Amino acid sequence: QKEVEQDPGPLSVPEGAIVSLNCTYSNSAFQYFMWYRQYSRKGPELLMYTYSSGNKEDGRFTAQVDKSSKYISLFIRDSQPSDSATYLCAMSGPGGYSTLTFGKGTMLLVSP
Amino acid sequence: DVKVTQSSRYLVKRTGEKVFLECVQDMDHENMFWYRQDPGLGLRLIYFSYDVKMKEKGDIPEGYSVSREKKERFSLILESASTNQTSMYLCASSRMTDTQYFGPGTRLTVL
Repeated sequence: QKEVEQDPGPLSVPEGAIVSLNCTYSNSAFQYFMWYRQYSRKGPELLMYTYSSGNKEDGRFTAQVDKSSKYISLFIRDSQPSDSATYLCAMSGPGGYSTLTFGKGTMLLVSP
Repeated sequence: DVKVTQSSRYLVKRTGEKVFLECVQDMDHENMFWYRQDPGLGLRLIYFSYDVKMKEKGDIPEGYSVSREKKERFSLILESASTNQTSMYLCASSRMTDTQYFGPGTRLTVL
């Protein structure tokens, strides 16, 4: 079993839709969870950062962590064509040098 | 804002050449990382450094070396470039237990 699983997509939605992106993981030691957005031919940019379980909201974006199920989600409300990108989940354990374990990314396409 | 810069956006080299990729961060971060990103394989960690002159191997260090002489600068060296090192190379930096911030990437083609 891979350490972090993420559906590669592409996920195609119309503008205005609610998008749900997900990752599952196997390592129960993970405590820090991140979502990155990567536009084509660019570096990943940090979108959301959460610690342990619970929800975090930032504008149209909500990150959700369920440690009991080893499942994290990113919700995008009122999706826009500019949200079209690849979304990478990442996670790390306690202490150490903050090395991250990444999912392979989900490509999202939002059509006008 | 955290700024991570990489010396080149696009680079074309020939097989056997020695290649230097430079990364500079301006936020006094302790940790710096080098990844490569390939379609279907995702991000793979090559090397990281948690202090000046310190380095740790990542998941795929073979064929690469690194140098960190100053806190803000982390270099990736391909001693003898090969075609299978054609890839997108990404540098990142972070504080000790904080998340990582990425540079724009260098797309390296080895002919």
